Amino acid sequence: AQSVTQPDIHITVSEGASLELRCNYSYGATPYLFWYVQSPGQGLQLLLKYFSGDTLVQGIKGFEAEFKRSQSSFNLRKPSVHWSDAAEYFCAVGAGRDDKIIFGKGTRLHILP
Amino acid sequence: EPEVTQTPSHQVTQMGQEVILRCVPISNHLYFYWYRQILGQKVEFLVSFYNNEISEKSEIFDDQFSVERPDGSNFTLKIRSTKLEDSAMYFCASSGPLGSTGNTIYFGEGSWLTVV
Repeated sequence: AQSVTQPDIHITVSEGASLELRCNYSYGATPYLFWYVQSPGQGLQLLLKYFSGDTLVQGIKGFEAEFKRSQSSFNLRKPSVHWSDAAEYFCAVGAGRDDKIIFGKGTRLHILP
Repeated sequence: EPEVTQTPSHQVTQMGQEVILRCVPISNHLYFYWYRQILGQKVEFLVSFYNNEISEKSEIFDDQFSVERPDGSNFTLKIRSTKLEDSAMYFCASSGPLGSTGNTIYFGEGSWLTVV
């Protein structure tokens, strides 16, 4: 069964600084990988996804993520964060098309002015 | 952009009462899901539904839970006799438009259930 680890529960960065949120997955085959963002009291918005092909994927709001099979990682990055990026970020992994996805515990991002 | 809609957005119910959470998935999607998120915890898979039957369910999804697609548009989650520990945000999701490649699961805004 697939699983996801997000090692950082909280991350604090200054506005304008770069950001990297870590995600490691466990799955025997090529996974389907996702990053979702959740603002307080809100639903889950898809930032980006990886199924195959180019290992660097671009998403919405200026985010990108890189799939590294050798490290079983799918880290989320943004070159310059904005105060509005403060939210909870969830990495998720799926086993196949339209299969359920399993979420990590999330990383809460705090932005310093 | 098409979206998954859920009602109610918030419901308070007494322990032991039945609750039905409703969802309207994206219209051309074929796969439907329910997830839940207890306050401050991660999002947990409950059940997936395809072709009018449950395709997979988690340990959480016990006999107190049921799902139904009563018509061509709605997808419901019923909790037969609510317990305090059922208090959570429940997310409906859908995926798999015809002809798509790979799955992108789209989530609704969630239904907050508070059991008192």
